[in-house]
Amino acid sequence: GAGVSQSPSNKVTEKGKDVELRCDPISGHTALYWYRQRLGQGLEFLIYFQGNSAPDKSGLPSDRFSAERTGESVSTLTIQRTQQEDSAVYLCASSLGPPGRGSYNEQFFGPGTRLTVL
Amino acid sequence: DQQVKQNSPSLSVQEGRISILNCDYTNSMFDYFLWYKKYPAEGPTFLISISSIKDKNEDGRFTVFLNKSAKHLSLHIVPSQPGDSAVYFCAASGTYKYIFGTGTRLKVLA
Repeated sequence: GAGVSQSPSNKVTEKGKDVELRCDPISGHTALYWYRQRLGQGLEFLIYFQGNSAPDKSGLPSDRFSAERTGESVSTLTIQRTQQEDSAVYLCASSLGPPGRGSYNEQFFGPGTRLTVL
Repeated sequence: DQQVKQNSPSLSVQEGRISILNCDYTNSMFDYFLWYKKYPAEGPTFLISISSIKDKNEDGRFTVFLNKSAKHLSLHIVPSQPGDSAVYFCAASGTYKYIFGTGTRLKVLA
């Protein structure tokens, strides 16, 4: 596809269950970001992947959250033992590269996965 | 610590008038600023950007102004159209991270 795709589009789960969210970035994009948007809130940075470098996990809210990316392709975000406060829209974005000093690479966002934890 | 703030959660404007969306930031190391537009059930899409070496960037009906001394940027939409109704996020970058504001919901009334 031409854009960033995410699956599933909606996920309803019970508290305590694990969930896995998937992101397919645009081909050739080396940078990949995960964000979370809670109801009425802004986009909260979670994790950043750049090529084969070690990811920046500084935005992950707890050790229940983890993410992987194989090379410059698909990424999965896993939330273990989900809690009700994990309910949010999880957005993935990719770009040709990271922004540099005084420069910018446009981020292309996927449609998001709406996670509801009951 | 909210480094990028959009203090107006919503804004209503008549069609044809100017929409002004505001954004404040606290980190003087930010050197690139962006505006994104988001429709319901879609991901944000890039709208316009500005480098910290400029104070204005214009693209059609959209103009972004940057006031570095005040750490403030604004997005002007002239004339506003009903299709502009969406949530607008400002974002700032200084390294590889983009820090987003909480968004302003713009409603353009026909």
